[in-house]
Formats: sequence, C-alpha cells, structure tokens
Amino acid sequence: AQSVTQPDIHITVSEGASLELRCNYSYGATPYLFWYVQSPGQGLQLLLKYFSGDTLVQGIKGFEAEFKRSQSSFNLRKPSVHWSDAAEYFCAVASGGYQKVTFGTGTKLQVIP
Amino acid sequence: NAGVTQTPKFQVLKTGQSMTLQCAQDMNHEYMSWYRQDPGMGLRLIHYSVGAGITDQGEVPNGYNVSRSTTEDFPLRLLSAAPSQTSVYFCASSARGRSGNTIYFGEGSWLTVV
Repeated sequence: AQSVTQPDIHITVSEGASLELRCNYSYGATPYLFWYVQSPGQGLQLLLKYFSGDTLVQGIKGFEAEFKRSQSSFNLRKPSVHWSDAAEYFCAVASGGYQKVTFGTGTKLQVIP
Repeated sequence: NAGVTQTPKFQVLKTGQSMTLQCAQDMNHEYMSWYRQDPGMGLRLIHYSVGAGITDQGEVPNGYNVSRSTTEDFPLRLLSAAPSQTSVYFCASSARGRSGNTIYFGEGSWLTVV
C-alpha cells in the first residue's frame, strides 16, 4: 500500500531564510507526487506535482521540489520564505489511475520576522 | 467555472442524526472522492468513485455512505452521526488520463457532532 511520511510536524523559519520540507513516500511503481498548501480555514491549493520527466519541478509561489527515486523522497524547497508562506503543507502520492490519493500528516510552517 | 462545490460549509448535528454533504463538479471529471481531515492525521480517504454508478471504499469508510448517480454529483451521507465524525470534509475530483492530472478540491465542510 502506498504511504507518505512527513517527519516534521512543525517548522519555524525566519522571513527571508531558505526552507526545505521533507517528504518520503512508499509506492511500488513510479509515483505521482504532489505538494499542497492549506491556509487556516481554507481548502487545499496545489503547489506543484511530479509524474515523469525532469526530477526538479517548479511550482507556484516560488516553490520547487526534487524527486529522488533512490531516497524515495520529494522534498519541497523555497530559497527565501515570505511571511505569507505560513500555512500547513501536505505531501501526497497518487496511484496511476488517480483513484486514490494518500496524504502525509502535514507540516505546519511558522514564519517569524 | 465553479470547479468543485461543497455544501454546507458549516453544520452542527446531534448524535444519531443523519445528514448529507453535497459535492458537485462542473469539469466532467470521472474521479471523485471524499476525505476527512483531522488534526495531526492529514487527509484520509473515505470513499471514492471512478465514474457514474461505481463507488468503492477508502481508508475510513465506516459510518458513511456514497452514491454516484451522475458524473457531476457525489454526495456523502452520514447515516447516524457520532462525535467521532466531527471533522472537516473535503470533496475532490480529477480527470482520467495518461498525464499527471490535477486533483481539484472543494473548500471544505466543517462538521461538528454534539
């Protein structure tokens, strides 16, 4: 069965600092991988996705993620964090037919001035 | 383009009551699904559907019922509400295809069972 692990429940970074959120997945075949962001009281917004090709994926809001098959990882990065990036971030893996999406437990990002 | 629409946004139920969360999408997507979100547990799949007339159970299906009579609609029924069903519910849809299609989420439905 597919699974996703986000080892960091909560991360605090200073505004302007770089950010890396970790995500490890378990899936037998080539995975479809996603990062979503959720602001308090809101739905989920897709940041980026990977399904094939270039292992470095660019997303919205200046985020990027790198797929590393050897490490079963799909870490999210941003070179300079803005206060508006404070939110909860979810990594997810989907089966090829998109019938099922499994989410990680999320990482809450706090940005301090 | 409305995308995925969920109603109601907020609901308070008494234990034992039944209710239906509505979900509609106007993108002609084949796949639709329901998730619940609880603190520290991420989103967990309740039920999903790969097309009209076809549904299947996800990770946490107990206490919920679904049907898919049309491509557009995928209602979630709580048969006899329990406090453990207090949660935020998200409906999602996506198209079938060879490429990595985007999964669209509704805005969520906040349900409290007292």
